[in-house]
Amino acid sequence: DTAVSQTPKYLVTQMGNDKSIKCEQNLGHDTMYWYKQDSKKFLKIMFSYNNKELIINETVPNRFSPKSPDKAHLNLHINSLELGDSAVYFCASSPATGYQETQYFGPGTRLLVL
Amino acid sequence: SQQGEEDPQALSIQEGENATMNCSYKTSINNLQWYRQNSGRGLVHLILIRSNEREKHSGRLRVTLDTSKKSSSLLITASRAADTASYFCATDTGRRALTFGSGTRLQVQP
Repeated sequence: DTAVSQTPKYLVTQMGNDKSIKCEQNLGHDTMYWYKQDSKKFLKIMFSYNNKELIINETVPNRFSPKSPDKAHLNLHINSLELGDSAVYFCASSPATGYQETQYFGPGTRLLVL
Repeated sequence: SQQGEEDPQALSIQEGENATMNCSYKTSINNLQWYRQNSGRGLVHLILIRSNEREKHSGRLRVTLDTSKKSSSLLITASRAADTASYFCATDTGRRALTFGSGTRLQVQP
């Protein structure tokens, strides 16, 4: 009965590789997000999608490309991985935009770039 | 600098004591939310307080909001070892995304 799921949970890869992280929510929400949590635990918004449409792109390098095939899925593809991309990436969803209802988070994907 | 900043960064108390965490922010908000993150897990929503509310309760949680001082506090009463986690405040400034602080790490000693 997982509400927001992410795969993989752990990802260890070499610099320069391309990798993808998948996110799915079964809550029927319209809006999905990607956040990056750095080593100091600071959580920063990367992207927001509403009904498959990009709403927010927070000065994230072009190497990061989100894709939303339907409103229940928001995947994150990262090209040419760099050491600084090492972090925990969280997917989240919420029922509506505008007033910012409660967000529901996935368990996170721990990415380590060597 | 961050929109939401929690204080203290770390807090260690004994079981049964109360824990108070503070959050300060910079711009006007629509609402403020508190989340908990257990080690190695995702964030879990605790409570939402709207800009026209001053205080809200949920079980052992009490949240206050002072919009004139741009600050909020989260009080956990009668803490338990299971309350050990990081606590984040998040603000909705109408940008269609929440802005999180870096959290307060709470350790409750049994």
